[in-house]
Amino acid sequence: DAGITQSPRHKVTETGTPVTLRCHQTENHRYMYWYRQDPGHGLRLIHYSYGVKDTDKGEVSDGYSVSRSKTEDFLLTLESATSSQTSVYFCAISDRDRYQETQYFGPGTRLLVL
Amino acid sequence: DAKTTQPNSMESNEEEPVHLPCNHSTISGTDYIHWYRQLPSQGPEYVIHGLTSNVNNRMASLAIAEDRKSSTLILHRATLRDAAVYYCTHYGSSNTGKLIFGQGTTLQVKP
Repeated sequence: DAGITQSPRHKVTETGTPVTLRCHQTENHRYMYWYRQDPGHGLRLIHYSYGVKDTDKGEVSDGYSVSRSKTEDFLLTLESATSSQTSVYFCAISDRDRYQETQYFGPGTRLLVL
Repeated sequence: DAKTTQPNSMESNEEEPVHLPCNHSTISGTDYIHWYRQLPSQGPEYVIHGLTSNVNNRMASLAIAEDRKSSTLILHRATLRDAAVYYCTHYGSSNTGKLIFGQGTTLQVKP
């Protein structure tokens, strides 16, 4: 299994509070991704990173920010959590070449915003 | 963005083969077709990928249509542990380098 951990695995927070989720990898892969998964929507890409300090938006990036100061860590921050951000969040990594990639996913973080 | 179409759900009996179809009509010539699956309460996991030729690995086989607008994931002998949501996707220049996951097919395996 790819060495990917996510922390915390479960979190309950209140509307308006900041929340940071951490993804840590031991594979030295260049690319890292944050997805959210909700019933009826499948997996949706929030942000991704293609190197240290290099990030870009995905399809549902509003309300989220990311940072990557080291190859192994990719942080997802909800600046002011809302109930609509209650979801399961998955981190993924890949070592993409030009035309194909295989992504390896972490175990997920369940976030409940009250 | 790249779009794939899969049946919402399928059923199979244990020990029988399962053919999971996927349509990907927007695929470009250089896109690879990828399949992932997600077991209950887990993150998605890679199953198989291919470009033009049929592919086999220890988990499954992938049959790709000649025009590449559809593919079929084949589980040769379904087990109860194969019950999962199976996602078909493709990656390459047509989707700006990002995997796009659709709704997937929920596979139920009956003992």
